[in-house]
Amino acid sequence: EAQVTQNPRYLITVTGKKLTVTCSQNMNHEYMSWYRQDPGLGLRQIYYSMNVEVTDKGDVPEGYKVSRKEKRNFPLILESPSPNQTSLYFCASSLSGTGSQPQHFGDGTRLSIL
Amino acid sequence: GNSVTQMEGPVTLSEEAFLTINCTYTATGYPSLFWYVQYPGEGLQLLLKATKADDKGSNKGFEATYRKETTSFHLEKGSVQVSDSAVYFCALSGYNFNKFYFGSGTKLNVKP
Repeated sequence: EAQVTQNPRYLITVTGKKLTVTCSQNMNHEYMSWYRQDPGLGLRQIYYSMNVEVTDKGDVPEGYKVSRKEKRNFPLILESPSPNQTSLYFCASSLSGTGSQPQHFGDGTRLSIL
Repeated sequence: GNSVTQMEGPVTLSEEAFLTINCTYTATGYPSLFWYVQYPGEGLQLLLKATKADDKGSNKGFEATYRKETTSFHLEKGSVQVSDSAVYFCALSGYNFNKFYFGSGTKLNVKP
């Protein structure tokens, strides 16, 4: 089954404790992206990757890091989480970065930073 | 810059009513436009898309037409069902197609 898998689905942690949210896709997609969803703001793009070793900033990259060492994986790293990063996070992938390709989304990761 | 504005929700309708969710956008160049739907506890799913002016996207009875002159991409459905209850997001891909911009989402509640 074609899917985007995120882990963990839920996480409560404390300020400053490094965490990683994993994202994996099994569709051989070139393009992957991370978003955060906040009430009243919709989804905002954090980082995206056009292919292996190619990443770039979205609209809200501050406080986040990403890497793309393998085509299928695109982890999101919060090196020193703060309460304002409490949010619902989605990973997505698409066949390519051209705008006409639909994105496939994971089920989301709800992070709470205390 | 690029941005998407969609109508505030929630929108509450009775089953079989007509649905319109307004979406307008600001973009440089010629973006592609999308509607995504999010059911409770799930990620977003593509509902329909349009890649150039005057294109009409359609799926599952939903339609939206890419109107460049009014920079709009309103979502419509002639007869909603309870199963259509969800949050709907309008989105665009930017000029370079690498970035995506989403509206704030409109929650639709359909009552039997």
